[in-house]
Amino acid sequence: GDSVTQMEGPVTLSEEAFLTINCTYTATGYPSLFWYVQYPGEGLQLLLKATKADDKGSNKGFEATYRKETTSFHLEKGSVQVSDSAVYFCALFPGGYNKLIFGAGTRLAVHP
Amino acid sequence: SQTIHQWPATLVQPVGSPLSLECTVEGTSNPNLYWYRQAAGRGLQLLFYSVGIGQISSEVPQNLSASRPQDRQFILSSKKLLLSDSGFYLCAWMWGENTEAFFGQGTRLTVV
Repeated sequence: GDSVTQMEGPVTLSEEAFLTINCTYTATGYPSLFWYVQYPGEGLQLLLKATKADDKGSNKGFEATYRKETTSFHLEKGSVQVSDSAVYFCALFPGGYNKLIFGAGTRLAVHP
Repeated sequence: SQTIHQWPATLVQPVGSPLSLECTVEGTSNPNLYWYRQAAGRGLQLLFYSVGIGQISSEVPQNLSASRPQDRQFILSSKKLLLSDSGFYLCAWMWGENTEAFFGQGTRLTVV
């Protein structure tokens, strides 16, 4: 079945460091891919998305490129801030009457 | 605009007591609706999803159940709570393909 695999956390970085959170997926067809962020005590918010191969989603300095050849959607940011500390979830949606599938989440802690 | 309401925000219940969590969506028709659970330190686990009134798909066999009595209402229930039911419960909705999921603020359930 369809699935999402994320790198395990926690990821601990100093402010202004480069961030990469790996995400790979397994799916039949052509799913849409998402990154969601969960700040402490809150629900999830969409961070960025990509709907077809080679699309690049971007928001708030974060980027991720839909790579069909490697079935990946890695999240990157060039310079993280303390306010980026949160849990990040990679997700896929196969489309139609189907379920939204999440990875296990990666906790990011950024220290000043 | 579309909004999603989830309540209560926090709940403490004794073992063996019943549970009812409610989620309602405004501003859209015939959404896909989802219940997720996030146990402490763990990722998102899909519990139930629904593509229409009275249509419920269960992902994990357990003592929880879900119902969709109206198009924009999704209810999570249990007849007798277990300690292992503690967690953060999130309701979400999506509509159409290639669109983002919108999450409620979540309910933190502690079973004591």
